[in-house]
Amino acid sequence: GNSVTQMEGPVTLSEEAFLTINCTYTATGYPSLFWYVQYPGEGLQLLLKATKADDKGSNKGFEATYRKETTSFHLEKGSVQVSDSAVYFCALSVGGYNKLIFGAGTRLAVHP
Amino acid sequence: GAGVSQSPRYKVTKRGQDVALRCDPISGHVSLYWYRQALGQGPEFLTYFNYEAQQDKSGLPNDRFSAERPEGSISTLTIQRTEQRDSAMYRCASSQGGSGGDTQYFGPGTRLTVL
Repeated sequence: GNSVTQMEGPVTLSEEAFLTINCTYTATGYPSLFWYVQYPGEGLQLLLKATKADDKGSNKGFEATYRKETTSFHLEKGSVQVSDSAVYFCALSVGGYNKLIFGAGTRLAVHP
Repeated sequence: GAGVSQSPRYKVTKRGQDVALRCDPISGHVSLYWYRQALGQGPEFLTYFNYEAQQDKSGLPNDRFSAERPEGSISTLTIQRTEQRDSAMYRCASSQGGSGGDTQYFGPGTRLTVL
């Protein structure tokens, strides 16, 4: 079946540290891959996406590359800020429509 | 412009009561999705509409759950004879099209608590 596995949190970093949140997937067919973010007290927002192998999604300094050979879509940011503190969800969709399958989420806490 | 809205934002009900959760998608969006999110988990798919047609309801847990979108816009998720295990955040999302890769825009969610 189709599934997403994310690294467990919480991840605690100092401001300006380098961030990696690992995400691997299992899918039949060729999925599209997404990172969603949920800031405290807010709903889910799309952070970035990639729809085919070797595509790189980027937004707000975050990047993730669709790696078909390792079935991964790791999220990275070179220098995190306190305002990046949130829960990050990796997700995939596969098939004729856009049913999303989410990972369990990774909580990031950035302190000054 | 206006995003996806959901109402009520919070609903507390007693076991055995019926509840109706409303979703108002972004105007013109063809596709509408319902998800359920337990605390500390990612959202789980419940059902999908393309216009007014319910094309996938495979994620609905049992026959107490139903959904409709009669005019291809506003959708209602109904839970009959609620149970404590139904307590969760219910999220609605819409997208312009229905193909893989389309961005889904999520509403703020309805927090349901069943006592």
